[in-house]
Amino acid sequence: GQQLNQSPQSMFIQEGEDVSMNCTSSSIFNTWLWYKQDPGEGPVLLIALYKAGELTSNGRLTAQFGITRKDSFLNISASIPSDVGIYFCAGHPPGGSEKLVFGKGMKLTVNP
Amino acid sequence: GAVVSQHPSRVICKSGTSVKIECRSLDFQATTMFWYRQFPKQSLMLMATSNEGSKATYEQGVEKDKFLINHASLTLSTLTVTSAHPEDSSFYICSARHGAGGRNEQFFGPGTRLTVL
Repeated sequence: GQQLNQSPQSMFIQEGEDVSMNCTSSSIFNTWLWYKQDPGEGPVLLIALYKAGELTSNGRLTAQFGITRKDSFLNISASIPSDVGIYFCAGHPPGGSEKLVFGKGMKLTVNP
Repeated sequence: GAVVSQHPSRVICKSGTSVKIECRSLDFQATTMFWYRQFPKQSLMLMATSNEGSKATYEQGVEKDKFLINHASLTLSTLTVTSAHPEDSSFYICSARHGAGGRNEQFFGPGTRLTVL
């Protein structure tokens, strides 16, 4: 089946720093979604991307849908302690499936 | 908007009992809902796709007779873990698909922590 390779698996940064994470696949995706999950909670949708090349911001978050449709990145600027959590990329493969394919997640730690 | 609730948030039960988990889309209608299971430090594992008014579609390896899914309305899906055993202990999360206005997004509930003694 299709897989999403998410990197890095974890990051330790200082408060105020920017952080970037990405997802890649060997096959194309029709949509890319970025989620954040706090411990003991369900994932929360951060940004949804629908078109190749699309660049979308949500506050300090910026995400882009790669031109090749095989990758996406998420940037967080000026990190704060509450950015701590696990970030998942997810996507819809072609074919009309409603099922999401998930990356394995990136654990972010922000040191105050 | 796009809020999904899940109940209960935490349940502890004895081995052999059945447990029902409810998933509700509070401010939108969802013809499709999904049930996931998540083990510690792992990503979400899709168990089944729940379609309103029809039978659920289960992923390979998921026992449909053990994990009963009912999607009786456009805002409610239920997952019943029948004859629960300790190995069924896990974090169960539902999501609801928001497809209005050209969107194709899943919004997740807060999850249910199941512990089977």
